[in-house]
Amino acid sequence: DIQMTQSPSTLSASVGDRVTITCRASQSISIWLAWYQQKPGKAPKLLIYQASSLKSGVPSRFSGSGSGTEFTLTISSLQPDDFATYHCQQYNNYWTFGQGTKVEFK
Amino acid sequence: EVQLVESGGGLVQPGGSLRLSCAASGFTFSTHEMNWVRQAPGKRLEWVSYISGGGETTYYADSVKGRFTISRDNAKNSLYLQMNSVRIEDTALYYCARIEQQLTDSWGQGTLVTVSS
Repeated sequence: DIQMTQSPSTLSASVGDRVTITCRASQSISIWLAWYQQKPGKAPKLLIYQASSLKSGVPSRFSGSGSGTEFTLTISSLQPDDFATYHCQQYNNYWTFGQGTKVEFK
Repeated sequence: EVQLVESGGGLVQPGGSLRLSCAASGFTFSTHEMNWVRQAPGKRLEWVSYISGGGETTYYADSVKGRFTISRDNAKNSLYLQMNSVRIEDTALYYCARIEQQLTDSWGQGTLVTVSS
């Protein structure tokens, strides 16, 4: 099974900050990596797929990079609506998720 | 607009059974593979089961293999998860999710399953 490890688990930030979240896969997954945003009581919402492709309608302040085993999600300027939990997911071999990163107010 | 609405969750005793449903609309259901994904309190999201568009192929996570059965009725645009021999560790919010090119691109709001005596 492919294991996914996110860091940090919690991130304290302010509006306007640049935020970076890292996701590591236990083996190479090429570019088959997605990022989701989840707010309390809501379903995960797809932000980025194939490691760096932005889903239509997602603000351009979100970006993704990486390949193989190392990936990052960057929010260039954190907005009030961005305080949420972010999950990475590999879909190279079945589907497995990272443990989530909660972005909270500093 | 893609809509996925889960139902059927509730309180069940250990060893009991429950059947979850997911009603799909806004897309051609029969041409899409589907997943069930769950999230236990304070835990990461966990893939549970997969089914192909026609229903011929199914996969299961090791944690539910032999106890859960995924199925679909394309005439009713519906996805199901039959949960048997449930355990306390099956307590979770269960989501159905549409698959598009291997990616779970749309999710329902979830239905809560609580396993407790």
